[in-house]
Amino acid sequence: ILNVEQSPQSLHVQEGDSTNFTCSFPSSNFYALHWYRWETAKSPEALFVMTLNGDEKKKGRISATLNTKEGYSYLYIKGSQPEDSATYLCAFIPLIKAAGNKLTFGGGTRVLVKP
Amino acid sequence: NAGVMQNPRHLVRRRGQEARLRCSPMKGHSHVYWYRQLPEEGLKFMVYLQKENIIDESGMPKERFSAEFPKEGPSILRIQQVVRGDSAAYFCASSPLSGGPNTEAFFGQGTRLTVV
Repeated sequence: ILNVEQSPQSLHVQEGDSTNFTCSFPSSNFYALHWYRWETAKSPEALFVMTLNGDEKKKGRISATLNTKEGYSYLYIKGSQPEDSATYLCAFIPLIKAAGNKLTFGGGTRVLVKP
Repeated sequence: NAGVMQNPRHLVRRRGQEARLRCSPMKGHSHVYWYRQLPEEGLKFMVYLQKENIIDESGMPKERFSAEFPKEGPSILRIQQVVRGDSAAYFCASSPLSGGPNTEAFFGQGTRLTVV
């Protein structure tokens, strides 16, 4: 059983503040880590696909880092806006033959940005 | 290019009935994955299919659940003799043939099954 954990479970952020949260995953047999943004009543939407240790990816005010040796990734939101309110999911893919893109999800971090 | 289409969006079934959930992957995608979100839980993998093949069904309950992805038409997740515990949101995702580490999966909006 793969253990993918996210913390905290939920986060209240004041508009304009920056925040970050964590995803931890097995440090062995790493293949890829995905971050998804999931708004209520919509489908999860891919933010980042990360594959290399030390990777840093950025999309607008959101960025992510990856440490495969110690098994964690951080997601950062700079200058949070109300539209950033969503659940952020990380998902781990192990290096297993024929696993395809079978994702093991963390429980998510629910972010609420208050105006 | 339409996204991943799931239907119906909401499905109500009485205990003992069958539920059929459909997923049409994005155009050009030949890999389909089904995930389930039980109340108060996260997304859990159920099954991974390619056209006419089940690749990994390690997350499927052993009884009453089956999935297929025929040569033509959508992928179907079938639940026979539904019970209240099957009430959940079922999500489908698809990815293209390459399926390498940089390949992202695209999700549908889910089917919310309620068993009464």
